[in-house]
Amino acid sequence: QQPVQSPQAVILREGEDAVINCSSSKALYSVHWYRQKHGEAPVFLMILLKGGEQKGHEKISASFNEKKQQSSLYLTASQLSYSGTYFCGTEENQGGKLIFGQGTELSVKP
Amino acid sequence: DGGITQSPKYLFRKEGQNVTLSCEQNLNHDAMYWYRQDPGQGLRLIYYSQIVNDFQKGDIAEGYSVSREKKESFPLTVTSAQKNPTAFYLCASSPGVGDYEQYFGPGTRLTVT
Repeated sequence: QQPVQSPQAVILREGEDAVINCSSSKALYSVHWYRQKHGEAPVFLMILLKGGEQKGHEKISASFNEKKQQSSLYLTASQLSYSGTYFCGTEENQGGKLIFGQGTELSVKP
Repeated sequence: DGGITQSPKYLFRKEGQNVTLSCEQNLNHDAMYWYRQDPGQGLRLIYYSQIVNDFQKGDIAEGYSVSREKKESFPLTVTSAQKNPTAFYLCASSPGVGDYEQYFGPGTRLTVT
């Protein structure tokens, strides 16, 4: 079951904040976040595990509500380099495959 | 430098022809994956492999085939049975399946006419 991301697209001015949400109808073991710039490969941002463990970049902030099967990615004081499409990937069981959401396109303007 | 390579970057084929996309990694990762990316649909898993000589179907395996004869190589064949093969194909690898970072290759854009 593909997770649902919201919003589908967001436009920011430099310095503004944004929140990207990822929601699943299934119980989750972990949520992964990736960013993809146009024409490039996706790049890993972080993993949030059931139980509260996080792996990833210290400057990226995210939350994982296990009971609601939801995760949110927080982008604060946005920079031009934050532009791209953000994907969440959900893992239902430990050692299982990732299922990616449809993506959220973020554009940061000067 | 360690990483994942995919070749070619752009590939053009006529309808009815099979085509094989290359994916090689020198990260010593056990797991490898193939994803298909279409506009507005995110990344959809075609096949994945956790170990040499073993692979599992993903969500959209119909019309595709793979092999994993070597740890570092995971080629994908797009067969003539795939109804809409034109897409951007991404290969990835990770130390294992599950809560590991996946490293993606640069992708191959396949156009079938």
